[in-house]
Amino acid sequence: GAVVSQHPSWVICKSGTSVKIECRSLDFQATTMFWYRQFPKQSLMLMATSNEGSKATYEQGVEKDKFLINHASLTLSTLTVTSAHPEDSSFYICSAPRSGGAIDTQYFGPGTRLTVL
Amino acid sequence: AQTVTQSQPEMSVQEAETVTLSCTYDTSESDYYLFWYKQPPSRQMILVIRQEAYKQQNATENRFSVNFQKAAKSFSLKISDSQLGDAAMYFCARSGAGGTSYGKLTFGQGTILTVHP
Repeated sequence: GAVVSQHPSWVICKSGTSVKIECRSLDFQATTMFWYRQFPKQSLMLMATSNEGSKATYEQGVEKDKFLINHASLTLSTLTVTSAHPEDSSFYICSAPRSGGAIDTQYFGPGTRLTVL
Repeated sequence: AQTVTQSQPEMSVQEAETVTLSCTYDTSESDYYLFWYKQPPSRQMILVIRQEAYKQQNATENRFSVNFQKAAKSFSLKISDSQLGDAAMYFCARSGAGGTSYGKLTFGQGTILTVHP
């Protein structure tokens, strides 16, 4: 089956630093990837749509200058949390549909737990 | 607004019994997809079952089935012969089939399912 990986699986950083999270589709191409954020015991909230070769589109209320997204290749999207603060601490999950495949079939990464001290 | 509502924060069931999780949604689109995802303690999102809105027949996947009431915008999940491994957080979700909501998942608040031996 299709596999999506995320790296790192967890990261702890100091307030004010930037953190990069990678999302890779290991055995399929993904022109589109989605980034979600999940606070403890809460639901997943869509942050942005990552598009290969073009700018990401952000959901209302998500600061695009704070959450930088780069979809540099057909298998890699990165989310950079810039000048991280404790309120950015969360679980970040990416998902990707297979390019050319059904949009209703998405593959989720295992998530990245970010803790900002 | 495209919203998904799960009114049961927690549910419990005895092993081998049947449990139904409720979900309602709101959408202005005529074509869309509905999903139930399972999130175990590992937090890896697992697709349980999906339903295409234009299909009247309720989807089934082994012990999992849905009751899709399009006019009522209701999409409940029935788990038969519950097993200990079914214990998890369950999320109801929808995504658009086209336009600006294409592939974007909107999740409900989640229902924590406990299975008693």
